Amino acid sequence: DAGVIQSPRHEVTEMGQEVTLRCKPISGHNSLFWYRQTMMRGLELLIYFNNNVPIDDSGMPEDRFSAKMPNASFSTLKIQPSEPRDSAVYFCASSWGQGRRETQYFGPGTRLLVL
Amino acid sequence: DAKTTQPNSMESNEEEPVHLPCNHSTISGTDYIHWYRQLPSQGPEYVIHGLTSNVNNRMASLAIAEDRKSSTLILHRATLRDAAVYYCILRDQNVRAGSYQLTFGKGTKLSVIP
Repeated sequence: DAGVIQSPRHEVTEMGQEVTLRCKPISGHNSLFWYRQTMMRGLELLIYFNNNVPIDDSGMPEDRFSAKMPNASFSTLKIQPSEPRDSAVYFCASSWGQGRRETQYFGPGTRLLVL
Repeated sequence: DAKTTQPNSMESNEEEPVHLPCNHSTISGTDYIHWYRQLPSQGPEYVIHGLTSNVNNRMASLAIAEDRKSSTLILHRATLRDAAVYYCILRDQNVRAGSYQLTFGKGTKLSVIP
């Protein structure tokens, strides 16, 4: 089992540019989560999908952030335009079931630096 | 999810047992106690969880107080690879009331001394 796969692992971009982060969940899992980790705020949930449908996006900071899950094996998190305050580590996690109680499996994260 | 309190940091010598405490005085009857850890430059990983009884798995043991207001994660023999931030998280197993996200606090940073 390859685990949750995220790409790219590192991204450096300039303010105003579009950034797309990618995630491949564990095969068979039907819940997918995007988290963001910063020193100031720790780990916080951005959005949660169940069966490819966004269930809760209340953690998405603002309209510059968008997430999609076109099929069960792929999700993207897009930031357009990016700002320096978006610099963080972005984690994707997946689980089987409704996501309320099940173990979540995290990817290695994407370290984003916006200059 | 109910609040948990953990020490900011702990140290342990290699190959010695480590006891990581967690206080959760406002725990409800339907809250499970979950532990995750985050190794440097990696995503969090599941360690163990329990409800009332002590639990063991290949990674660790979880000792839960009789009143459930506190718990202790036990690493029986710390290795350098166990150096990580350990998070104690309460998750309501009541489907109607429970939330799906993991609410991470600051956790305990464990340093293992060779």
